[in-house]
Amino acid sequence: ETGVTQTPRHLVMGMTNKKSLKCEQHLGHNAMYWYKQSAKKPLELMFVYNFKEQTENNSVPSRFSPECPNSSHLFLHLHTLQPEDSALYLCASSQSGTGASYEQYFGPGTRLTVT
Amino acid sequence: SQQGEEDPQALSIQEGENATMNCSYKTSINNLQWYRQNSGRGLVHLILIRSNEREKHSGRLRVTLDTSKKSSSLLITASRAADTASYFCATTGGGSNYKLTFGKGTLLTVNP
Repeated sequence: ETGVTQTPRHLVMGMTNKKSLKCEQHLGHNAMYWYKQSAKKPLELMFVYNFKEQTENNSVPSRFSPECPNSSHLFLHLHTLQPEDSALYLCASSQSGTGASYEQYFGPGTRLTVT
Repeated sequence: SQQGEEDPQALSIQEGENATMNCSYKTSINNLQWYRQNSGRGLVHLILIRSNEREKHSGRLRVTLDTSKKSSSLLITASRAADTASYFCATTGGGSNYKLTFGKGTLLTVNP
């Protein structure tokens, strides 16, 4: 138990569906992250939020839309996905601050299958 | 661009043996971190070593960092079957303190 929860754990959706992934952290962190993990590829950073502000969008297609209503919650809204978007989506959180780097705490992930 | 790259891609050992995994990276870093991932689960942070440190220990883990060679190694001593997992190195650098760049990982299998 890392203090970061993700729901749902598994999701199957058609290409025309709209769904959302939810992440919640109970660690008092101010930075939250979305990563995509595909088979045989390195973990890819998608988005970073720092104090609720998006500070990184790693050239992610617009069919992925993040939302961070507060420092404890992070959503990833999905619409008109493609089969190649099937992957494990991981949320993480960390402390934040200038001049320092911190370890990230990951949730268990959402296994997404696009049919 | 991919920063960390682990070597070997897969490693199979017997329980009680030591396991060594290596990581190479390309550009200057602020720090290097090692993470572990059990199959299909989230990553767990193991250890962070800063760019001005050369060696760090945590329990059965020993990490070294050689910034001149842009490489790091993770040693797990007296391995256990429960150590079976994928191990990733990740770096921060290039002006960013929070953006982690991961390698593809080493799959470690510890046979009972």
